[in-house]
Amino acid sequence: DTEVTQTPKHLVMGMTNKKSLKCEQHMGHRAMYWYKQKAKKPPELMFVYSYEKLSINESVPSRFSPECPNSSLLNLHLHALQPEDSALYLCASSQGRGQGLREQYFGPGTRLTVT
Amino acid sequence: SQQGEEDPQALSIQEGENATMNCSYKTSINNLQWYRQNSGRGLVHLILIRSNEREKHSGRLRVTLDTSKKSSSLLITASRAADTASYFCATMNTGFQKLVFGTGTRLLVSP
Repeated sequence: DTEVTQTPKHLVMGMTNKKSLKCEQHMGHRAMYWYKQKAKKPPELMFVYSYEKLSINESVPSRFSPECPNSSLLNLHLHALQPEDSALYLCASSQGRGQGLREQYFGPGTRLTVT
Repeated sequence: SQQGEEDPQALSIQEGENATMNCSYKTSINNLQWYRQNSGRGLVHLILIRSNEREKHSGRLRVTLDTSKKSSSLLITASRAADTASYFCATMNTGFQKLVFGTGTRLLVSP
């Protein structure tokens, strides 16, 4: 199974809502990533988890809160978002050992709209 | 932070023609990767070339890397309509910290 799944596919939320994005992989990968992608722009790294520990936070606002409950799951908790946070949120995973030498496998993304 | 610039920004060709995309980057790298993204969907890894390699092939794909010029190119030969997508180069820095994507090339292959 070389698939990364993300739910939901689409999400519309108000600025006062709390919601969560979910990501799952069963490839035994030990590194997982969250990216944000605006229209016609490249993906921008938000967070990296390595062996279930947060290893990189790219100075992301605290209204985005990542969580890695186990080696297969990655969540992104959203609270008090702004309209400019509307984007495609991509999850990815890669092998833990020598992850820098490995390709990343991406999920299909969650398209988030903040109203 | 954005590492690479790609050109052209957009490329329109006919089926059967070759497509060449170029990527330039700014800092030392361990490897450079190319990804494809179909409209608004997830990215698919195409090929990885290490900093000590100069050329790599995979099917209809040919990638070159010139670390002295900090540049790479992706050649797709005998293109097909199904190759229509955005193509991104991405660099992994020498600390293996993170993958940073270039600006991307939008390729349109017409039947």
